[in-house]
Amino acid sequence: NAGVTQTPKFRVLKTGQSMTLLCAQDMNHEYMYWYRQDPGMGLRLIHYSVGEGTTAKGEVPDGYNVSRLKKQNFLLGLESAAPSQTSVYFCASSYSGTSDYNEQFFGPGTRLTVL
Amino acid sequence: AQSVAQPEDQVNVAEGNPLTVKCTYSVSGNPYLFWYVQYPNRGLQFLLKYITGDNLVKGSYGFEAEFNKSQTSFHLKKPSALVSDSALYFCAVRPPTGRRALTFGSGTRLQVQP
Repeated sequence: NAGVTQTPKFRVLKTGQSMTLLCAQDMNHEYMYWYRQDPGMGLRLIHYSVGEGTTAKGEVPDGYNVSRLKKQNFLLGLESAAPSQTSVYFCASSYSGTSDYNEQFFGPGTRLTVL
Repeated sequence: AQSVAQPEDQVNVAEGNPLTVKCTYSVSGNPYLFWYVQYPNRGLQFLLKYITGDNLVKGSYGFEAEFNKSQTSFHLKKPSALVSDSALYFCAVRPPTGRRALTFGSGTRLQVQP
């Protein structure tokens, strides 16, 4: 199993450009998440999804949109990139099953720089 | 809203010595607590979790953590540090109800000297 994969690994954008980050998981997990990691701030939740076709806002959703058209994929979009969105983006997934506290599995991250 | 505090930005320890990485939390109700480790240029890896039961939780790579409800703490420990343990460690919490996403602390960098 590849686990959680993210595409691309690195990207440089100019202010105002748009892009989509792709997250894919092959573990048949119901839950998927997008986080951003900034120095000294840990990880902050952007958006998440509890199943195919459903999404919800996290702590810092402004400037981002997401879609979960297929269970295995979770897309994060930036419509008009801003320098404040320079960060490392992590996708994660988790299994629901009968327990309510399964750990999350993380992808390797996407390093985004907005000039 | 829940929160996590990791009061030390960096912890330095000599190889072979015991290590402790501190974490305190604030959440309504009984918490679900997690520790993750991040190696350079990698995603986070799960180490261990506390859900209920025994306050001492054992996890991967010889790590363990002690849940203390009265002090709202969940410190990560290891009896004998290895140089390969050097990494960034994150504590995370989620409440027993509501969304399943985690709230992370700011991270503690562990440096183990040979």
